[in-house]
Amino acid sequence: KNEVEQSPQNLTAQEGEFITINCSYSVGISALHWLQQHPGGGIVSLFMLSSGKKKHGRLIATINIQEKHSSLHITASHPRDSAVYICAVSRPGAQKLVFGQGTRLTINP
Amino acid sequence: DAGVTQSPTHLIKTRGQQVTLRCSPKSGHDTVSWYQQALGQGPQFIFQYYEEEERQRGNFPDRFSGHQFPNYSSELNVNALLLGDSALYLCASRSLVRGYTFGSGTRLTVV
Repeated sequence: KNEVEQSPQNLTAQEGEFITINCSYSVGISALHWLQQHPGGGIVSLFMLSSGKKKHGRLIATINIQEKHSSLHITASHPRDSAVYICAVSRPGAQKLVFGQGTRLTINP
Repeated sequence: DAGVTQSPTHLIKTRGQQVTLRCSPKSGHDTVSWYQQALGQGPQFIFQYYEEEERQRGNFPDRFSGHQFPNYSSELNVNALLLGDSALYLCASRSLVRGYTFGSGTRLTVV
């Protein structure tokens, strides 16, 4: 079992819909990261969370440390939101990020 | 404020050759990590550099080596290239407060 699991693996929605992507992890963490990757492109860091909730524009990220679960929400989704969204965790004392397998999001006009 | 800069963006090499990839971290970041992302897969940690030393290493052979310079920039070297080394190589720099910033990657194709 992977240390970081995301669901769903693929998600297709219509423009304007509310999107939720989930991430569960099985290890102790120092922080959880939500990342965005466009096809063929590099990775953009969206959020770094250690507790609670963060909001940036139409994006909202929440984390429940007790349940080892995080969600990324997109309100009023737009075709330009189409990308792979990746959850990654950094562990206490460790230098590397451990990545989930990613969620491929497609927003149709 | 420039983010993480990687060069080159694309590269084609022949099996058995050697390659050097370069990374300039975001201003104010002193820690650089390298990741390998095969097509359709998540990134895999190669190693991390801090204060010009390799601090942690992932499960990669010794053919993968690196270096960090006093200005915090870093190089990833891969010797004796294999076809399976074809991937997107990502560099990430880090600050403790703001977390990670990723570069756009170098796409390496080994033929």
